[in-house]
Amino acid sequence: GQNIDQPTEMTATEGAIVQINCTYQTSGFNGLFWYQQHAGEAPTFLSYNVLDGLEEKGRFSSFLSRSKGYSYLLLKELQMKDSASYLCAVTTDSWGKFQFGAGTQVVVTP
Amino acid sequence: NAGVTQTPKFRVLKTGQSMTLLCAQDMNHEYMYWYRQDPGMGLRLIHYSVGEGTTAKGEVPDGYNVSRLKKQNFLLGLESAAPSQTSVYFCASSYSAGGEETQYFGPGTRLLVL
Repeated sequence: GQNIDQPTEMTATEGAIVQINCTYQTSGFNGLFWYQQHAGEAPTFLSYNVLDGLEEKGRFSSFLSRSKGYSYLLLKELQMKDSASYLCAVTTDSWGKFQFGAGTQVVVTP
Repeated sequence: NAGVTQTPKFRVLKTGQSMTLLCAQDMNHEYMYWYRQDPGMGLRLIHYSVGEGTTAKGEVPDGYNVSRLKKQNFLLGLESAAPSQTSVYFCASSYSAGGEETQYFGPGTRLLVL
């Protein structure tokens, strides 16, 4: 079956760096996405990886290794507003169906 | 440009009642999706549509039906609600399938079935 794993919760202090890991075992791979979801709100797009390597977008970076079925999202210079759930999602076919992980709740403390 | 909208935002149903959730998008997207989100389980795909007049089953389709009569609307129906269908329902749309095209999500509908 398809499986996407990420830690349930991580805690870090303001200004620090946090790395959220995501491992996946899927039949096929068309791309990996990271979304941010604040409590009670809809997920919003953060990053996309299809080739191996690091993609950087300001304070957020995402890394992908297709051979290892592994990705991480790196959040730098943490701010209180970064407290949210971070969802890893993989697309596996040509119909754009996303397979989501359960999400990692990041708690930023002062 | 409203993006993706969902109605209603919140609903309480009794077991056995029926209802329809409406999703509308004004981005001319071909692809639309219905997900449910439960604590600790992430987003699970219920049904999806790859264009007007088409629908397909996702990961957890039982107890739900959908229709896509107009390109901009995607309806999710519950014919006989059950407490197990208590959840937050998200609609999403995208211009194309896969690639770097992300999905845009609506604000969600919170459904409580008693």
